[in-house]
Amino acid sequence: TQLLEQSPQFLSIQEGENLTVYCNSSSVFSSLQWYRQEPGEGPVLLVTVVTGGEVKKLKRLTFQFGDARKDSSLHITAAQPGDTGLYLCAGGAGGTSYGKLTFGQGTILTVHP
Amino acid sequence: ETGVTQTPRHLVMGMTNKKSLKCEQHLGHNAMYWYKQSAKKPLELMFVYSLEERVENNSVPSRFSPECPNSSHLFLHLHTLQPEDSALYLCASSQDFGSYTGELFFGEGSRLTVL
Repeated sequence: TQLLEQSPQFLSIQEGENLTVYCNSSSVFSSLQWYRQEPGEGPVLLVTVVTGGEVKKLKRLTFQFGDARKDSSLHITAAQPGDTGLYLCAGGAGGTSYGKLTFGQGTILTVHP
Repeated sequence: ETGVTQTPRHLVMGMTNKKSLKCEQHLGHNAMYWYKQSAKKPLELMFVYSLEERVENNSVPSRFSPECPNSSHLFLHLHTLQPEDSALYLCASSQDFGSYTGELFFGEGSRLTVL
């Protein structure tokens, strides 16, 4: 069974601070996705990374896929209250798990004005 | 119309009731999913339908019964549930099933409380 561990589980920061969320596994994934879920809404895809060592930027958000494709990180620069939400990482695998995503348990981020 | 619509948004039911959750997608996708989201636990994949055929049943108890009458609609029929089944049930769709890079489009979820 493939597992994804996210850390930290909770993060409460002030507006303007930087933060990093980690997603780790002992398994290799073919792809890694990050979703954000706001209260009362479903998760929305932020990014997909597929190549070991890949870095993608989305405005103030920087996503990195580990060289061995077992881990990923999400870094937010100068966080804003609008970044508040649940951040989920999800790994896609081949083999018998092809087409199915394994989700982490999520990181709840609260950015205070 | 939004991409994926779920009804009802909130449902309270007794352990002996029968109810159904409905999901409709307006994206022309071929795959639809039911996920269960519980506090402090990862999203749990329950069922997957691809082109209206069930391709995944992730060891879900028989008190949950899915139905996919066409590629745009997905139901989850609920019967004789337990209090531990209380959770947010998320419907999702994707262009196809079988791509590990494919994006999932989620509905807003149906919050289920079992008394």
